[in-house]
Order: sequence, then C-alpha cells, then structure tokens
Amino acid sequence: SQTIHQWPATLVQPVGSPLSLECTVEGTSNPNLYWYRQAAGRGLQLLFYSVGIGQISSEVPQNLSASRPQDRQFILSSKKLLLSDSGFYLCAWRSLREEQFFGPGTRLTVL
Amino acid sequence: QKEVEQNSGPLSVPEGAIASLNCTYSDRGSQSFFWYRQYSGKSPELIMFIYSNGDKEDGRFTAQLNKASQYVSLLIRDSQPSDSATYLCAVNEADSWGKLQFGAGTQVVVTP
Repeated sequence: SQTIHQWPATLVQPVGSPLSLECTVEGTSNPNLYWYRQAAGRGLQLLFYSVGIGQISSEVPQNLSASRPQDRQFILSSKKLLLSDSGFYLCAWRSLREEQFFGPGTRLTVL
Repeated sequence: QKEVEQNSGPLSVPEGAIASLNCTYSDRGSQSFFWYRQYSGKSPELIMFIYSNGDKEDGRFTAQLNKASQYVSLLIRDSQPSDSATYLCAVNEADSWGKLQFGAGTQVVVTP
C-alpha cells in the first residue's frame, strides 16, 4: 500500500530564515506530486506540482521553490521566510484514478 | 478563473439526521469530483469520488453529480458526532496534470 510521509510535523521559524520541508512517498513509482498550503481557516492553495524527477511547475509566484531530486521525494524550500508563509503545508500524490492522497502535513509558524 | 464554491457553514446537524453539502464548479471540462473530510488540525482524507452523473453510495455517504448544472453534492446519513469536520469539494482541472481545484470547505457540526 502507498504511504506518504512529511517532516517535520511542526516548525517555528523567524522571519528571514531558510526553510526546507520534505515529502516522501512509498509504495508507488513515478507519482505526480503536489505541494499545497492551507492558511488558517482557508482552502487549499496549490503551490507546486511535479510529474517526474527534476520537473517542477509553479502555480503561484512567491518566495518558495520546490525540487524533486528523486522519484519519490519532493522538497519545498525558501531562502528567506516571510510572515505570510505561515500555514499548513501539505504534500499529496495522485493515483491513476486522479484521486489525490495527502500526507500528514507540516504546520509552519513564522515569527 | 476556475472556481469551486461551497457554503462555508457551519452546518449544524442533529445526531441521526441527514447532512447535505453542496458544491458548484465553473470548469465545464471537469470529469472527476472528490469529497474530502478534514478534522481540525489534520490533513484532508478522501471519502468519496464520483465520475458519472447520478448518485454513488458508500456506507452512510452518497455523492450526487449533475454535470449539466455543474453541481456536486454530498449527503451524510445518520450523522454522528464523529462526522463533525470540514468537508472539502475538489474538482479536476480539464487538460491539466491531474490538478485539482478545491473549494474552501463546509464546516459540519453534529450536535448530540
């Protein structure tokens, strides 16, 4: 069965500090992978998606970036965090039937 | 701008009653429709998907789809306190790499 992991689970970072969030998927090959952000009380905003190693599509211009160094690894990064980057970051993978399954998420607070 | 609209709620439902959640979407090319349940502080969990017009039942959940009206709904029968959560409607974007558009969610509160 497929499993998706994210870490860390929670993170508190000062403004201007760097960020690295990691997502890994087990039990599937060459999945489409997605990064979403959910601000408090808001819906899901798609940030990046990837259909394969090294391929990244950005949905929203911002100070975040993503990379996919391995088939089942997806990383979200920032060089300098802003207060507005606070939120719940979710990684998801897509099945062949177009369902998306989410990881447990990382709650980021930027102070 | 492709949009998915849901009533934000909260929708208050007595225990044992039917909760009815609605969702409309703007992309006429959408073919796949999903309902997710999200408990406070947790990630969304897929509970239903529907691809064809009509009803699809799974346990206490029924999804209803009307592509002509661009409308999808979720019924929760015999509502339980454990059904208290936010329900997200998601619709695939036509001709995309499996991208989904999510509604902002409807909060459901089941009262004993």
